[in-house]
Amino acid sequence: DSGVTQTPKHLITATGQRVTLRCSPRSGDLSVYWYQQSLDQGLQFLIQYYNGEERAKGNILERFSAQQFPDLHSELNLSSLELGDSALYFCASSPHTGTGANVLTFGAGSRLTVL
Amino acid sequence: DQQVKQNSPSLSVQEGRISILNCDYTNSMFDYFLWYKKYPAEGPTFLISISSIKDKNEDGRFTVFLNKSAKHLSLHIVPSQPGDSAVYFCAATLTGANSKLTFGKGITLSVRP
Repeated sequence: DSGVTQTPKHLITATGQRVTLRCSPRSGDLSVYWYQQSLDQGLQFLIQYYNGEERAKGNILERFSAQQFPDLHSELNLSSLELGDSALYFCASSPHTGTGANVLTFGAGSRLTVL
Repeated sequence: DQQVKQNSPSLSVQEGRISILNCDYTNSMFDYFLWYKKYPAEGPTFLISISSIKDKNEDGRFTVFLNKSAKHLSLHIVPSQPGDSAVYFCAATLTGANSKLTFGKGITLSVRP
């Protein structure tokens, strides 16, 4: 158990629908990162939050949004789903002190299947 | 633009032999490099890292080598064990604020008994 909790583990939905993925970071970690892993692709960075504020944005579609709440858990919202959104979505957390190296701890992922 | 490249999608080695996993990067600003290991149905787990001020870092059976001039790093596993069979991701980052990790596509390592 990495300490990063993601729910749900699996999700099957239809095109056009909206889903919410949830992440609880490791205790004490202030930064949360969302990554997408599609078939034959590496881990694509989507977005980062630090202590409730958006810190960095990657290749995140406009149909996707995220937030980090005061208790530091984060949610990734995916709307108007398309077949191509089927992927593994990983959440990771880190202490992110702003200095030094940043080693991320990953959750087990949420597998989204869009039919 | 793939800033971190793992050009070999798979590698198969015999148990007890050396596994060498390669990674190239294009962004010369990267100053910290990491390897993650991923088993099926699990998230990636941190394996070993190296700062750009070093050219080698060792942790047990795992050694990472960095060649900054070539923008190349490699992970050596000696001796390889069947339990090492997994997907290995190379990642790079800039230390300091905003330090997200940029990952390669991964290499699937199979260690044959």
